[in-house]
Amino acid sequence: QSVLTQPPSASGTPGQRVTISCSGTSSNIGRHPVNWYQQVPGTAPQLLIFTNNQRPSGVPARFSASTSGTSASLAISGLQSEDEADYYCASWDDSLNGGVFGTGTKVTVL
Amino acid sequence: QVQLQESGPGLVKASETLSLTCTVSGGSISSGSSYWGWIRQPPGKGLEWIGSIYYSGTTYYNPSLKSRVTISIDTSKNQFSLELTSVTASDMAVYYCARQRGGVRSGYHDYWGQGSLVTVSS
Repeated sequence: QSVLTQPPSASGTPGQRVTISCSGTSSNIGRHPVNWYQQVPGTAPQLLIFTNNQRPSGVPARFSASTSGTSASLAISGLQSEDEADYYCASWDDSLNGGVFGTGTKVTVL
Repeated sequence: QVQLQESGPGLVKASETLSLTCTVSGGSISSGSSYWGWIRQPPGKGLEWIGSIYYSGTTYYNPSLKSRVTISIDTSKNQFSLELTSVTASDMAVYYCARQRGGVRSGYHDYWGQGSLVTVSS
């Protein structure tokens, strides 16, 4: 039922740059900020990026994000083994009048 | 440091009501600077937003669950709660409570509970 679409998987070797896309519509990403969450399997999600491109204290600078129109993207530069996790985008949807999460992307470090 | 902790039965019978409570520590639930929300995750699947509540009692619900869900808040106990009626196997999930900063439409969940697995039995 997710209205934000992400690729199911992404991968890279240590040190590489990986990007994850999040595709939405004019009723969500086109109007509202996007947030990103990292979830290591078996643990609760953690806020990674808020308000499109802001990093909370403690999040490494190798994580960055941007938005353009009805899409958003998350980039991980200098991929590290500890970055292996699931990543979710999230926003608000005016048509649903509710919060929405992306379908999730599993990042694998080869 | 804000901490959230979910509590409630881990097993609910089909057609009955799921009830969970989230206890907030390290900050006041009625500070007015945050919404408080519930998110769930079925085993092996993605995250689903359930709803949010403000300390005043204003609520927002996922339209797909709206007819069955109630989120309430008890500022005297620094707790907020989730009730989901008429549960089925599709409601089996890990349920997370979280603090939402920045408003309900532009906000983000910055603190999460550890999650509570709810199993639905037939």
